[in-house]
Amino acid sequence: DAKTTQPPSMDCAEGRAANLPCNHSTISGNEYVYWYRQIHSQGPQYIIHGLKNNETNEMASLIITEDRKSSTLILPHATLRDTAVYYCIVNDMRFGAGTRLTVKP
Amino acid sequence: EPEVTQTPSHQVTQMGQEVILRCVPISNHLYFYWYRQILGQKVEFLVSFYNNEISEKSEIFDDQFSVERPDGSNFTLKIRSTKLEDSAMYFCASRLTQGSGANVLTFGAGSRLTVL
Repeated sequence: DAKTTQPPSMDCAEGRAANLPCNHSTISGNEYVYWYRQIHSQGPQYIIHGLKNNETNEMASLIITEDRKSSTLILPHATLRDTAVYYCIVNDMRFGAGTRLTVKP
Repeated sequence: EPEVTQTPSHQVTQMGQEVILRCVPISNHLYFYWYRQILGQKVEFLVSFYNNEISEKSEIFDDQFSVERPDGSNFTLKIRSTKLEDSAMYFCASRLTQGSGANVLTFGAGSRLTVL
């Protein structure tokens, strides 16, 4: 089973920030946190990853708590094309059910 | 940008038939994976492969499944005798093995298998 838990669904207004939480309370010291998303039935797409520090790239920001037991993926200005299932995984490469994000006009 | 290529994109087969799904991972990647996704469900890990052998497999990956890297570029998933419940999207993925970005998986577009 996956080592992460996420809320099953979230809504976000277009243009607003989407904050997607993930719990990984059993993560070990050298395990990274990775975020992927899946649009319709396409292959999962890598978004961002991190170990301890917060990370930012052109797609998103990743905030990891100091104890590393949880993280938040932030899409700063969500668009309709960001509607997808978002997965948080750790080094075991197992996917949970993810969070279905719906961006609404 | 390098990509993982999967063929066929869609295959329809009769129950009991053998199916081979093919994947061409990114050329300098060393770890290879197969996942499946039954319609409406989550992405499930099947197997990982490194250095020409299985490194890990899930309970789904039973004796009817096998994987092979027959040459330097292809990575295949064989289902010996398909069942109705094997109908799913099958995703291949690959990754590097070293460095901070080592575990970033790159996925293919998937092969949809329909068993009748």
